[in-house]
Amino acid sequence: AQSVAQPEDQVNVAEGNPLTVKCTYSVSGNPYLFWYVQYPNRGLQFLLKYITGDNLVKGSYGFEAEFNKSQTSFHLKKPSALVSDSALYFCAVRDLTSGGSYIPTFGRGTSLIVHP
Amino acid sequence: ETGVTQTPRHLVMGMTNKKSLKCEQHLGHNAMYWYKQSAKKPLELMFVYSLEERVENNSVPSRFSPECPNSSHLFLHLHTLQPEDSALYLCASSQGVVMNTEAFFGQGTRLTVV
Repeated sequence: AQSVAQPEDQVNVAEGNPLTVKCTYSVSGNPYLFWYVQYPNRGLQFLLKYITGDNLVKGSYGFEAEFNKSQTSFHLKKPSALVSDSALYFCAVRDLTSGGSYIPTFGRGTSLIVHP
Repeated sequence: ETGVTQTPRHLVMGMTNKKSLKCEQHLGHNAMYWYKQSAKKPLELMFVYSLEERVENNSVPSRFSPECPNSSHLFLHLHTLQPEDSALYLCASSQGVVMNTEAFFGQGTRLTVV
């Protein structure tokens, strides 16, 4: 079975400061990992994904995420937060192993609030 | 815009009504999905269609009935819904159901059942 946890319901950060949104996962084998963002009254938008290779993945809008296999984490980061980054962020995982579901499992979401 | 369009954006319906949600994608994808998003709950996958055939049905009540007439269109037919069915219904598409492809989501239909 695959699962993903976003331990924080809400993250608050001041504009210009670095931000981190946490995600941990559980799969039987190797994971495919995704981050999506949802702005108010909108659907989810793809930000970035980790499939294989470099553990640091760069995505849209200056976001990046680091895959850490030993800690089973895939935290989303940005060096300098903008007020416009305020949104709901979802982590998702797919299990790469044979028999794993091709359907992604999403976390509950983390609300990021960037204060001016 | 993501290339996935959902209509209507908002819908209020009574428990005895019948309505349909529509999703259309212009991305050339061959897999389409319905998700339910409720406040304070994880995103719930409802249905998956690949090449116009249903490949996943996550124990969704029969009052929700999907239809995929072609690879570009997906419908969700609703009848005799309950107030707890009020939620944001999201449609998504992807290039196949292979594991490393990301999904593209529509803006959602905000459904309120009264």
